[in-house]
Amino acid sequence: EDQVTQSPEALRLQEGESSSLNCSYTVSGLRGLFWYRQDPGKGPEFLFTLYSAGEEKEKERLKATLTKKESFLHITAPKPEDSATYLCAVQVDNDMRFGAGTRLTVKP
Amino acid sequence: GAGVSQSPSNKVTEKGKDVELRCDPISGHTALYWYRQSLGQGLEFLIYFQGNSAPDKSGLPSDRFSAERTGGSVSTLTIQRTQQEDSAVYLCASKRGSDTQYFGPGTRLTVL
Repeated sequence: EDQVTQSPEALRLQEGESSSLNCSYTVSGLRGLFWYRQDPGKGPEFLFTLYSAGEEKEKERLKATLTKKESFLHITAPKPEDSATYLCAVQVDNDMRFGAGTRLTVKP
Repeated sequence: GAGVSQSPSNKVTEKGKDVELRCDPISGHTALYWYRQSLGQGLEFLIYFQGNSAPDKSGLPSDRFSAERTGGSVSTLTIQRTQQEDSAVYLCASKRGSDTQYFGPGTRLTVL
């Protein structure tokens, strides 16, 4: 069965304390792995798409990497405004399977 | 508009009533998706429309749920005889071709 698992469920960091979020997946026929950011009361906002193992993408303090079994979202020197829930999703046929998300809190 | 819009933003209804949720996708996006997000849960796929093809309804949880997409643009998700377990945020997303999905702000449904 296709599954997407994110860890940890919640992460609290001090401003400037770098860390990584994990997304592990077991799907057949991966057509893309997506990272989204979701702020309270809003819809998910697209961050990255990764298509093949070894691929990396960066945006400001965020870098996403992909292996054959998992993806990491690395956050370097985070700021309070990076606080949000980060969602991982995999494209399978017509739909996307989402993980439950990691709720990130960055304290000043 | 610049993004996906959804209405209403909040809907409170009584158990047993029918509700309609609306989604206006980004202009030119041929694909439209509906998802449900319960508190603390990931997004649950409900239904997918692509152009004029028959929709993929494989994610609809029961026959009380239905959706239409008129003229390849606006979509309406209808929930009949609402139950308390239907309370959730309903998200709509659209995309063009193999591009990424862009989400609307969601409709928060509360069934009393």
